[in-house]
Amino acid sequence: DTEVTQTPKHLVMGMTNKKSLKCEQHMGHRAMYWYKQKAKKPPELMFVYSYEKLSINESVPSRFSPECPNSSLLNLHLHALQPEDSALYLCASSQDRGRPHSYEQYFGPGTRLTVT
Amino acid sequence: AQSVTQLDSHVSVSEGTPVLLRCNYSSSYSPSLFWYVQHPNKGLQLLLKYTSAATLVKGINGFEAEFKKSETSFHLTKPSAHMSDAAEYFCVVEINTGTASKLTFGTGTRLQVTL
Repeated sequence: DTEVTQTPKHLVMGMTNKKSLKCEQHMGHRAMYWYKQKAKKPPELMFVYSYEKLSINESVPSRFSPECPNSSLLNLHLHALQPEDSALYLCASSQDRGRPHSYEQYFGPGTRLTVT
Repeated sequence: AQSVTQLDSHVSVSEGTPVLLRCNYSSSYSPSLFWYVQHPNKGLQLLLKYTSAATLVKGINGFEAEFKKSETSFHLTKPSAHMSDAAEYFCVVEINTGTASKLTFGTGTRLQVTL
């Protein structure tokens, strides 16, 4: 099973709301990632978790708060977002985080977020 | 610093004709390179990867890519396009920071397949 699942598929939220995005994988991967993708642009890395610890934060605003409760789950908590945060949020996982082996990342279908 | 440049933002081919999507890379050492495909409103799917083994890499759905160090290229090809190949294609290089693996994406090439 090479599937990464994400819920919800679509989310509309106001600027004062608090919501969460969820990502799950059962491939035994120990690295998990959040990406943001604006329309007609490539994905941009936001966060990397490795062995359930935050490894990389790409200077993401604090209104985005990641959480990795266990090795299969990754959440992204959203609070006080801005309209410009509307985008497709992609989750990915990989077997490990780096050298000497290079493992491909498997992506979920994404959550389409609209901030009103 | 590692980076990739996709030379065409849009490629249009007729069904049944060959596909060529071009990618050049910049890396201070032997890179790991990937091609991902994204169909409309979908996530990304790995087509193939190069990790310093064979220079000709075969992927899914009949795609392949050749790593050419002398030309710093990693072009994606397919002998015969199918309508279902219409999608956005990303050339990607892996950056290893020592503590994590980061992907740097090219700007993407939109492949259009016409009858």
